[in-house]
Amino acid sequence: GAVVSQHPSWVICKSGTSVKIECRSLDFQATTMFWYRQFPKQSLMLMATSNEGSKATYEQGVEKDKFLINHASLTLSTLTVTSAHPEDSSFYICSARGLVETSGPTDTQYFGPGTRLTVL
Amino acid sequence: GQNIDQPTEMTATEGAIVQINCTYQTSGFNGLFWYQQHAGEAPTFLSYNVLDGLEEKGRFSSFLSRSKGYSYLLLKELQMKDSASYLCAVRDDDYKLSFGAGTTVTVRA
Repeated sequence: GAVVSQHPSWVICKSGTSVKIECRSLDFQATTMFWYRQFPKQSLMLMATSNEGSKATYEQGVEKDKFLINHASLTLSTLTVTSAHPEDSSFYICSARGLVETSGPTDTQYFGPGTRLTVL
Repeated sequence: GQNIDQPTEMTATEGAIVQINCTYQTSGFNGLFWYQQHAGEAPTFLSYNVLDGLEEKGRFSSFLSRSKGYSYLLLKELQMKDSASYLCAVRDDDYKLSFGAGTTVTVRA
């Protein structure tokens, strides 16, 4: 249990275009989903918290009009990078919070495999 | 704010033991997590501590002292596949995770 998928796994786009990244919890319902960004050799930085059916909460310094988050259901959240520029090139990782019976803590975040975005 | 410190790099030989320390100063505490991350991949869950003491899980153990704002991850019987980045993360009362910068462990033959 506790599998989170992301699509696409990698994407290359031209500057000025928009890119949509999907995050799905495959075998559990996620009460909350989180979006992170990770630059090379740096740690994960939380961008926003997304709850199903409500507006996302963005961390300080993250532009909500540039990084559009939609959380349409308990198993799907999407991040759209609008008008992408080379400085947006990064590794984007989502996580889903859910109650899962595993060997670990039952209420925790499970991470997707990440999406590598390269903007030319 | 959240301040989480861990060493940048550690090197050890195969079969050895390595201890990765993590100190934290955070507003709110609702558990400390350790994750393993291989290059280009997402983090995978290793361990979780919310009460003081040692949690053992096979070759990996994690310790927490809430009063000292301190945790460590102990990796025993190191294998080459353990070469990775190890992330210390603190969960706050809103269930948000704040990550340390990660410790890159290199295992040598």
